[in-house]
This record gives sequence, structure tokens and C-alpha cells, in this order.
Amino acid sequence: KAGVTQTPRYLIKTRGQQVTLSCSPISGHRSVSWYQQTPGQGLQFLFEYFSETQRNKGNFPGRFSGRQFSNSRSEMNVSTLELGDSALYLCASSQKGQSSGANVLTFGAGSRLTVL
Amino acid sequence: KQEVTQIPAALSVPEGENLVLNCSFTDSAIYNLQWFRQDPGKGLTSLLLIQSSQREQTSGRLNASLDKSSGRSTLYIAASQPGDSATYLCAVEDSGYALNFGKGTSLLVTP
Repeated sequence: KAGVTQTPRYLIKTRGQQVTLSCSPISGHRSVSWYQQTPGQGLQFLFEYFSETQRNKGNFPGRFSGRQFSNSRSEMNVSTLELGDSALYLCASSQKGQSSGANVLTFGAGSRLTVL
Repeated sequence: KQEVTQIPAALSVPEGENLVLNCSFTDSAIYNLQWFRQDPGKGLTSLLLIQSSQREQTSGRLNASLDKSSGRSTLYIAASQPGDSATYLCAVEDSGYALNFGKGTSLLVTP
């Protein structure tokens, strides 16, 4: 069974550019969530999607956006990149449709973004 | 706002030792608490999930406990091995389909 696949794994952008990251969840998983990991702030929740609907969004500026397609694949976009956006972006998928006691998340390997 | 704290931030132990990692959280109204492992430059691997109605979970040499009323969880690793070296992260799910993570404990097990 394939795991959560994130592409690209590494990318370098310059300030002001935009970037799109992709996440393919485990087959059958309909929930996809995104997290940003930095040395200073640790792991922070970006947003979560279920059946193409964003159910929650973390405390990030509007430059960060995402979407989910009908096949559950998800993309996130960051516009007008800033140096502080350099981070590891992690995607996770789960089967459960609602917050519950047994909501196990499976994470991808991440996309490492460097902004110069 | 849920705050998750992990102590210690870093830990170095000789191979074979038993060890305990600590996690505390401020709001006891949680759905579950999860422990993850992260190897350098990699994603997260789920180790154990404890539902709010449970007190502990075990998997092999790992045992995690949960005390909701005091807002604490511990991860016990028995007979540590060099392959256990990694960063261990604690996360709670309280609402909104989001996990709140601690900053992690960086563990080094020396041969």
C-alpha cells in the first residue's frame, strides 16, 4: 500500500515568487492536512481538507492557500514568498471524517522549501 | 489555546538504558494524544495513539501513558538501542481536525 506522496521533495525559490506543493494521500483516505515545520516554531498546522472542503485553517497569512481535488489529492500554494517561509512542509492523510479518538495520521516525507 | 510542552529538549543515554520522555498540555479536553518519531530530514512516523478514554498504549519496547486530568503523558522506551536515536514528538488533537505539537525531544542513544 503506497504511503503519502509529496512532490517536489526539495525546491529553491527567491523572494516574491510563488510555489505550489502537491500531496497524494493514501488510497481511501479523504482527509488531508498540511503542517509547516521550522526550527524556531516547530510544527504548526496550516489547514485541513475533507471531500474538497476546507474544514479548518491555522493562523497563517492569506498568502498560504490550499485546495483538494475530487480524487483527494491536495495542493498548497504560497504566494509572494518571504525568507521566513523556508521550511519543511508536511502533508498527512487519514481515513476518519471527523475528529475522533482514533484518528491516526500518516505523514509524507515532506517538501523542503528554501527561499533565497 | 492548547500549549504542548516536552521535557527534556534533548537527551543522551548509553545503549540499554530505560528512559522516559515527558509531554504536558494545557487543555484537558482532547480527543487523543499521539507520539511520533522523526528522523533527520524525514517525515513523521506514528508510534502510539492514546484515545482520551484510555490510560496507556503499548507497542513493543514502547509504552505511552495518558493522564488527562493532570495534562500529562509519558513515553517509556525500554532497553534503548542506537536505532532509537531520533526526535520524538508529542501531539494532541483537541478540535478542528488539527494536531498541536510540542517542540520535541531529541534523543541520542550511544553504543
